[in-house]
Amino acid sequence: AQSVTQLDSHVSVSEGTPVLLRCNYSSSYSPSLFWYVQHPNKGLQLLLKYTSAATLVKGINGFEAEFKKSETSFHLTKPSAHMSDAAEYFCVVSETSGTYKYIFGTGTRLKVLA
Amino acid sequence: KAGVTQTPRYLIKTRGQQVTLSCSPISGHRSVSWYQQTPGQGLQFLFEYFSETQRNKGNFPGRFSGRQFSNSRSEMNVSTLELGDSALYLCASSRAMVGSGANVLTFGAGSRLTVL
Repeated sequence: AQSVTQLDSHVSVSEGTPVLLRCNYSSSYSPSLFWYVQHPNKGLQLLLKYTSAATLVKGINGFEAEFKKSETSFHLTKPSAHMSDAAEYFCVVSETSGTYKYIFGTGTRLKVLA
Repeated sequence: KAGVTQTPRYLIKTRGQQVTLSCSPISGHRSVSWYQQTPGQGLQFLFEYFSETQRNKGNFPGRFSGRQFSNSRSEMNVSTLELGDSALYLCASSRAMVGSGANVLTFGAGSRLTVL
């Protein structure tokens, strides 16, 4: 069975400092992993995806994530936070077995301080 | 390229009424899934349709139903509305290609339902 755990419900960083949003997953099969971002009153937008190619995945707006199988983690990072990064971030796991089921984490709300 | 379109964006209903929400997927996307998002429960999966058939279903009561048309457009219906049904309802579409594990979900902006 699949599951995903976002380790922090809230993260606060100062503008210009690094961002780290943590995600651990559990999957019986080779997973596909995604990070989505949601700005207030908006739908979810794909930031990046991992699909068993390169373990370091680069996404939009300077975000990247590293797939670590030994640690079952897929943490999201950005070298320098911008005020516009303030939003809620969701880690998502989907198995490649063709079930087309997506399991969403509970979300991490990122606050960026001026 | 048009995105996923959800209508209406906002609506207010009273307890006991019913509501129908609509979702038009990206052209070529055959899978449409629905999610309920609330501050207390987060993002919860309702159901997924592919080629007019419900393929996956979440743990929601029978008051929540959906369907998909031959053009892949989808509707969801909630009958006998309760206060707890107030939420942002999100629709997502994907190509759902067989054998591909990277079926990216593309979300609409959502329909915000308020039940009074």
